Amino acid sequence: GNSVTQMEGPVTLSEEAFLTINCTYTATGYPSLFWYVQYPGEGLQLLLKATKADDKGSNKGFEATYRKETTSFHLEKGSVQVSDSAVYFCALSLNGGSQGNLIFGKGTKLSVKP
Amino acid sequence: KAGVTQTPRYLIKTRGQQVTLSCSPISGHRSVSWYQQTPGQGLQFLFEYFSETQRNKGNFPGRFSGRQFSNSRSEMNVSTLELGDSALYLCASSNKPSDRWGYTFGSGTRLTVV
Repeated sequence: GNSVTQMEGPVTLSEEAFLTINCTYTATGYPSLFWYVQYPGEGLQLLLKATKADDKGSNKGFEATYRKETTSFHLEKGSVQVSDSAVYFCALSLNGGSQGNLIFGKGTKLSVKP
Repeated sequence: KAGVTQTPRYLIKTRGQQVTLSCSPISGHRSVSWYQQTPGQGLQFLFEYFSETQRNKGNFPGRFSGRQFSNSRSEMNVSTLELGDSALYLCASSNKPSDRWGYTFGSGTRLTVV
């Protein structure tokens, strides 16, 4: 079946440290890939996306590259801030048909210490 | 422009009761999806509507139902509430079905069943 696997958290980093959150997927067809972020008490915000192989999504210093050969979409940021503390979800959406819903990973909680 | 609006934000119900949650999508968006978020199961897809038609349904019992109105607003209903239905219910909208470009989420309705 279709699924998303993310690294287990929580991840605790010091401010200005480098961040990597691993995400791999299993999917039939050609999925679009997303990273969503959830701040405490809030809904999900789209952080970045990529719709085809080798695309790089980027936003607010975060980046992720769609790697078809390794079925991965790892999230990276060169220098995290305290304000980046949140839960990060990797997700996929299949191309059209009856499966337009998002399939999410379990989420990775990030805590950034000053 | 206004985002996805979910009402109410918080709700407390008694086991056995029923509940209706509301979602107003971004103006112009015709697709509305619903998700249940719990600590144990994570984010799970409930159903998706486009132009008043249910296009896709997740693996939930028949107690969970939804509908979409001609103005694209959507409601979901849960009958005969169980303690395990306590969750954050998130609504997401998009301007097309099976959107490859990402969905915009509301802040959610926090349902507590006692």
